[in-house]
Amino acid sequence: AQRVTQPEKLLSVFKGAPVELKCNYSYSGSPELFWYVQYSRQRLQLLLRHISRESIKGFTADLNKGETSFHLKKPFAQEEDSAMYYCALRLGTYKYIFGTGTRLKVLA
Amino acid sequence: KAGVTQTPRYLIKTRGQQVTLSCSPISGHRSVSWYQQTPGQGLQFLFEYFSETQRNKGNFPGRFSGRQFSNSRSEMNVSTLELGDSALYLCASSLGGTDNEQFFGPGTRLTVL
Repeated sequence: AQRVTQPEKLLSVFKGAPVELKCNYSYSGSPELFWYVQYSRQRLQLLLRHISRESIKGFTADLNKGETSFHLKKPFAQEEDSAMYYCALRLGTYKYIFGTGTRLKVLA
Repeated sequence: KAGVTQTPRYLIKTRGQQVTLSCSPISGHRSVSWYQQTPGQGLQFLFEYFSETQRNKGNFPGRFSGRQFSNSRSEMNVSTLELGDSALYLCASSLGGTDNEQFFGPGTRLTVL
């Protein structure tokens, strides 16, 4: 069955420290993966998608098909990165499976 | 452009009742998706509509239904409410193509007593 797993509910790091939010997926087809972010009192929004291979707000994510992972990374965390992060797998045209999310807290 | 709007923002119902939630997409967007968000399960896909047709469906019971109107506005209906239906219901709109980003609304918080 298709599944997205985010093993950490909460990740706390100090400002300036590297961040890695883990995401593993289970899917037999060719995956399309996304990271969404929800800042406090704001709407859920797209952060980045694997096909774009871009860096957004200093975050990058590489699809590793061998390890079925799509971890989100940032070399130096900032306080404004504190938010809820969701990894999502798209199936077909427009059906998404989301992970349960990881709350990132960046401590001063 | 105005963002995705959802009404009402908060609802309290009792078990056995039914409820209708509304979603107005961004102007020009023809696809509307619905999600249920709960602390334990996270975001779960309910269904997606495009040009008044349901294109995709998640694994929810038939008590959950939806529709889309010719102006792309969408409604979601839950009949015979159960306590476990208490959740934040999010809708998202997009242009409808496979590479189009989806934009989320603020959600409707449904509490079932």
